Amino acid sequence: QSALTQPPSASGSPGQSVTISCTGTSSDVGGYNYVSWYQQHPGKAPKLMIYEVTKRPSGVPDRFSGSRSGNTASLTVSGLQAEDEADYYCSSYAGSNTFVFGTGTKVTVL
Amino acid sequence: EVQLVESGGGLVQPGGSLRLSCAASGFTLSTYWMHWVRQGPGKGLVWVSRIKTDGSATGYADSVRGRFTISRDNAKNTLYLQMNSLRTEDTAVYYCATEVVAAGLFYWGQGTLATVSS
Repeated sequence: QSALTQPPSASGSPGQSVTISCTGTSSDVGGYNYVSWYQQHPGKAPKLMIYEVTKRPSGVPDRFSGSRSGNTASLTVSGLQAEDEADYYCSSYAGSNTFVFGTGTKVTVL
Repeated sequence: EVQLVESGGGLVQPGGSLRLSCAASGFTLSTYWMHWVRQGPGKGLVWVSRIKTDGSATGYADSVRGRFTISRDNAKNTLYLQMNSLRTEDTAVYYCATEVVAAGLFYWGQGTLATVSS
């Protein structure tokens, strides 16, 4: 159960796009269609932004999108807004009723 | 309104025990798989445990397996985490969360802080 690998930081100017990667293995990210992404603002509980690799819960703007290629999943935030500045975590089902989170990425809006 | 409220955190010495509770309101707990997730001070999210709707199946992170036990009382709409043989590295805010969509944690509590220190 090693943590999924994410870049520590990412940034972009308002209106630009930023993409965050999440690298795992064939036993987690690449093996199941159960990759989720969470946004967390300081001092707050996480918020689900993407589930089942590409699906958005009701209420999440379509500026947020998910994808996957092999053992690497990605979250893209288009049209960056100030309120998108937060920490982002990926998560994947890892078999045998277990899950694993990513190391987290701090997104800064310049 | 859907609400999850954790309680039971506090200061405990290494080797000690704590029992966390997560009281659900605004929905029927028995409908969903439930999780515990923790976050150490200034650190990232770490998945801890998961339990099936009726409690018949559970899963644990390697770091807590054999020391922590997840359970639920659907009649009381409450989730539990019994934490034994606590270590300093177990110090964290512990969140309960609801798996509303497949493998996606939609509802979260505000967290309860467990501090393991001598």
